[in-house]
Amino acid sequence: EIVMTQSPATLSVSPGERATLSCRASQSVSSTLAWYQQKPGQAPRLLIYGASTRATGIPARFSGSGSGTEFTLTISSLQSEDFAVYYCQQYNNWPLTFGGGTKVEIK
Amino acid sequence: EVQLVESGGGLVQPGGSLRLSCAASGFTFARYAMIWVRQAPGKGLEWVSSISGTGGGTDYADSVKGRFTISRDNSKDTLYLQMNSLRAEDTAVYYCAKEGDPLIVVVYLDYWGQGTLVTVSS
Repeated sequence: EIVMTQSPATLSVSPGERATLSCRASQSVSSTLAWYQQKPGQAPRLLIYGASTRATGIPARFSGSGSGTEFTLTISSLQSEDFAVYYCQQYNNWPLTFGGGTKVEIK
Repeated sequence: EVQLVESGGGLVQPGGSLRLSCAASGFTFARYAMIWVRQAPGKGLEWVSSISGTGGGTDYADSVKGRFTISRDNSKDTLYLQMNSLRAEDTAVYYCAKEGDPLIVVVYLDYWGQGTLVTVSS
C-alpha cells in the first residue's frame, strides 16, 4: 500500500496570502495524484487531478505541481471560502490511499 | 448535473447489519466505476470498496473484506453497500463517489454524495 503523507497538518494563512501544501508518496505514483477540498459538514470536492489539471469549475488560483513522490498544491491568494481541509489521493495503485489532510485556517 | 444521494445510514448495534444505497443521476451510470469512501468522526478519508461499471469487478479494503459487499443495479442507477458484522470502528460517514475517468484502471473521484452516517454502538 502506498502511504501518502501531507504537511503541515495545519497551515495558518491570512486572506489574500499564498498557501503552499505538500504531499509525499511512499513510492513513485508518477502523476496520478488528486487533490480534494473538504469544508465542515460537506463532502470532499475534486480540485486537481493528474497532479496539475484543474477540475471543472475550479478557480485558477488553485494550482498543482509535482510528480513521482513529491507534490504541491498552491492557492495563490486565499479567499474566505478557501479555508478548509485539503486531502491528496494517489491513484497509481490499488488500494486508493489518501493523505491525512492539511487544515488551512485563518491567521 | 451529476447527483449522488446516499441513504440507509443509522444507528446499529455491534454485530448488526445495514444496507446503504446511493442513487445516481445526471450521467450514464453503467459506464463508470463507483466507489465507497468513509470518514470516521474527526478523521481522514478511507477507501472502502469499488465496483466496475458492469458490476463484474469488485474490490475491498482489508478492513472490511469478508464483511461488506458492494453491488449495483444499472437498471435503477443505484449503488449499494451491504454491511454485516458491524464493529464500533466502522462508525463513519459513508460517501459514494463516481470515478473521474473510465479509461484508466485506478481512479480519482470527480463527484461525491453528501454522505450518510453509520453509527455502530450498543
